[in-house]
Order: sequence, then structure tokens, then C-alpha cells
Amino acid sequence: DGGITQSPKYLFRKEGQNVTLSCEQNLNHDAMYWYRQDPGQGLRLIYYSQIVNDFQKGDIAEGYSVSREKKESFPLTVTSAQKNPTAFYLCASSMGFRGGEETQYFGPGTRLLVL
Amino acid sequence: AQSVTQLDSHVSVSEGTPVLLRCNYSSSYSPSLFWYVQHPNKGLQLLLKYTSAATLVKGINGFEAEFKKSETSFHLTKPSAHMSDAAEYFCVVSDSEGGGGTSYGKLTFGQGTILTVHP
Repeated sequence: DGGITQSPKYLFRKEGQNVTLSCEQNLNHDAMYWYRQDPGQGLRLIYYSQIVNDFQKGDIAEGYSVSREKKESFPLTVTSAQKNPTAFYLCASSMGFRGGEETQYFGPGTRLLVL
Repeated sequence: AQSVTQLDSHVSVSEGTPVLLRCNYSSSYSPSLFWYVQHPNKGLQLLLKYTSAATLVKGINGFEAEFKKSETSFHLTKPSAHMSDAAEYFCVVSDSEGGGGTSYGKLTFGQGTILTVHP
């Protein structure tokens, strides 16, 4: 099956702990994105990457970090500096701007909860 | 700058009656517009998209939307609601600066409209 997978489905974080959310895609997309969703709000962009080994901050990057070592993978680390990490995290991918198609396709999400 | 306003946070309809979810946008460029649907604790699924072709766009599951530039609107409709349509719907705008180039086509999301369908 082609698509985007995120793991785990639920993740618990203790105070002062860094946690990493996984995002993998087999769509051969160049661009990948991380969003945060809070109740009653739309999605807010955390980081995005248009190509391997390159990424850019989105609107709410503080307290988060990413890497893009492989085209298929774009993991997100929620650091201890993120004081309010409880949210639903969504990963997305698109063909990328060189493909002239910006439609983004979303994974199933990871819900992060703080213990 | 671009923005999206979904005019209703909640819409409630009876099964078999029409659905109307309202969306207004603003954009500095010729926008691309999308509607996504999200069922509880799931990711977003693309319903339909407008990218400067036909102004009436047909999507999946019987949904359609009409791009009205003069009204800066992109309302989502369906003639007859089904119980399975109950979900949250997001209107999204992308100002991709006319397509091509090196800039990223940033998506701006509306706040969402929760659709409830009663038997």
C-alpha cells in the first residue's frame, strides 16, 4: 500500500524528556511537513522539508527539532523546551514544488500526552 | 498574506437533507483551495481541490464546492447527507505564487467545522 505512516499512535512524555515521533512515506514525495493540531483550532505548521538534508521552520518551531536524512523519513523530536506538548501531531507529504503540485497528503497522526 | 474563515464552527443536519459548509478566504495571489475531512482521531483526507480550472469542483463522496472569486468564497455542499459524513471539515488555502518557482506553497487552515448528522 502506498501512503504515509506515523508511529506510535499514542505517546506519553514525562517531564524533562525528549520524545521522537516517526513519519515515513512511500509515495516518492520530495516534500514533507509536520503540523500540530489543538482542539478547536486548525493545523499549525511546525517544520517542513522540501528536499533531503534541508528543512525550514514553520510558524511554531520552538521546542521542536527535525531531521531529513532520507527522502522517505522525517522524524520530529519534541524536546523538553516545549512546555505544552499535549496535542495531535500530523505528518504530511507532497510532490514538492518542482513537481508543480502542492496537494498535501496526511498520515493518521500521533497523539502526544504528558504524564 | 492569506487567511481562511470558516463561518460556522458547528453544523447540524438530518440524514438525507442538504449540507452547506461555508468558507471565505483572502489571498494575495491566485489561490489554490482545498477541503479536507477528518474523522475522530484520524488524519486528514482530501475531499476536493480548486486550482484555477473549472470553478465548480467535484470531489469524493458526493461533495462539491464552487469557487466564487467575486465573493472570495469556496463553500462545500452535498445534496443529501449520510450518517458517515459526520466529521470535522477544514477549508484550506495555498498561495503558491502562481505555481512553479522556488517558494513553498504554504497551506493556511481554517478553524474547522464540525458536521453532525442526525438520523
